[in-house]
Amino acid sequence: EADIYQIPRYLVIGTGKKITLECSQTMGHDKMYWYQQDPGMELHLIHYSYGVNSTEKGDLSSESTVSRIRTEHFPLTLESARPSHTSQYLCASSEAGGAQNEQFFGPGTRLTVL
Amino acid sequence: DAKTTQPPSMDCAEGRAANLPCNHSTISGNEYVYWYRQIHSQGPQYIIHGLKNNETNEMASLIITEDRKSSTLILPHATLRDTAVYYCIVNTGNQFYFGTGTSLTVIP
Repeated sequence: EADIYQIPRYLVIGTGKKITLECSQTMGHDKMYWYQQDPGMELHLIHYSYGVNSTEKGDLSSESTVSRIRTEHFPLTLESARPSHTSQYLCASSEAGGAQNEQFFGPGTRLTVL
Repeated sequence: DAKTTQPPSMDCAEGRAANLPCNHSTISGNEYVYWYRQIHSQGPQYIIHGLKNNETNEMASLIITEDRKSSTLILPHATLRDTAVYYCIVNTGNQFYFGTGTSLTVIP
């Protein structure tokens, strides 16, 4: 069983609100990732981190920001939510190293912005 | 610039083998092929991965062609609980590149 958690699982919020999606893992993994997935579509990488104080943007441009102050936490923040941000956000983690390491996914946060 | 191509949907009879194909013709020598599945938009679940040799675990088998341009995921005895979207992924070491996936429906 993967020990990666996302809070909240579901969030409905009004336009203009600031939100933070939490992601935590207890596996001691250095690498962490955020993906965005619209209904029926594939996952797109929006942010990743190779370790504490490391953050990079993924292929899909996103207005969200991330931080990595502690190894186990990788929160994602939207300063001013808009309806276009409505989507599912999936967090993942993996061990450091090359392409032979699998990613472990959390259950996802389904965000709806009204 | 998708790195993988999969058929959008497939059906399989319960108890039969499900063979899910994937093309990854631009894969580089040190990039791995991974397979995950996603049920009801939950977090993707790891199935299997390989570099160039065929692989087997308790869930599935992975057959990779000699030129590594394509692969096939085999679920040997499909059950109703195997109904899901199956993603073929190229892992560059820096990033997972998800394709659009194959929606597999296992029919009773």
